[in-house]
Amino acid sequence: QITLKESGPTLVKPTQTLTLTCSFSGFSLSTSGVGVGWIRQPPGKALEWLALIYWDDDTRYSPSLKTRLTITKDTSKSQVVLTMTTVDPVDTATYYCAHRPSLDEYYFDYWGQGTLVTVSS
Amino acid sequence: EIVLTQSPGTLSLSPGERATLSCRASQSIRSSYLAWYQQKPGQAPRPLIYAASSRAAGIPDRFSGSGSGTDFTLTISRLEPEDFAVYYCQLYDNSLWTFGQGTKVEIK
Repeated sequence: QITLKESGPTLVKPTQTLTLTCSFSGFSLSTSGVGVGWIRQPPGKALEWLALIYWDDDTRYSPSLKTRLTITKDTSKSQVVLTMTTVDPVDTATYYCAHRPSLDEYYFDYWGQGTLVTVSS
Repeated sequence: EIVLTQSPGTLSLSPGERATLSCRASQSIRSSYLAWYQQKPGQAPRPLIYAASSRAAGIPDRFSGSGSGTDFTLTISRLEPEDFAVYYCQLYDNSLWTFGQGTKVEIK
């Protein structure tokens, strides 16, 4: 059974760096083809894809946020970490991590419950 | 960059009715790159359809996906009370991922 859970601060001040951790079980990020992505959703708005990391350490980022994001993995801990620099109130959102099952399947089949991050002074 | 446009923004229907949701891409895409999700308030998105027409695990057969090229459709044959939610289409394009703006299916 695949599960994912996001963790991190609920409140961050503008200009600070946000660090979120996705802890997962039921799969290994050393398995060929597997990826873990981050998606966010501002209150009342649509989903926005942020970043994704693959089993082979390949990373992909949203072009609009690429300069502010870093995604890394710790396979031994079954964790993926997303770092976002210089946060702004517009970054207030629920942040989800999600599992991409394989290179032949172009969707996210398991999602975490999400964590709400508020950016405010 | 390919843009996904979902329509309508809101669909007001009664239980038992048929729902037809549209997702249009700004240029032609591979059907295998198109997925649909359902999201209820306070919950994470739930995958419904992948590769335009394949149902995800555990999804009832009243949900179906179709389309090709630039026009894709999610159909709910007979709305159940638990189907009133927001629906998103999602595209994989050139190693990047994009979501539509969503269609809300509300009780009429």
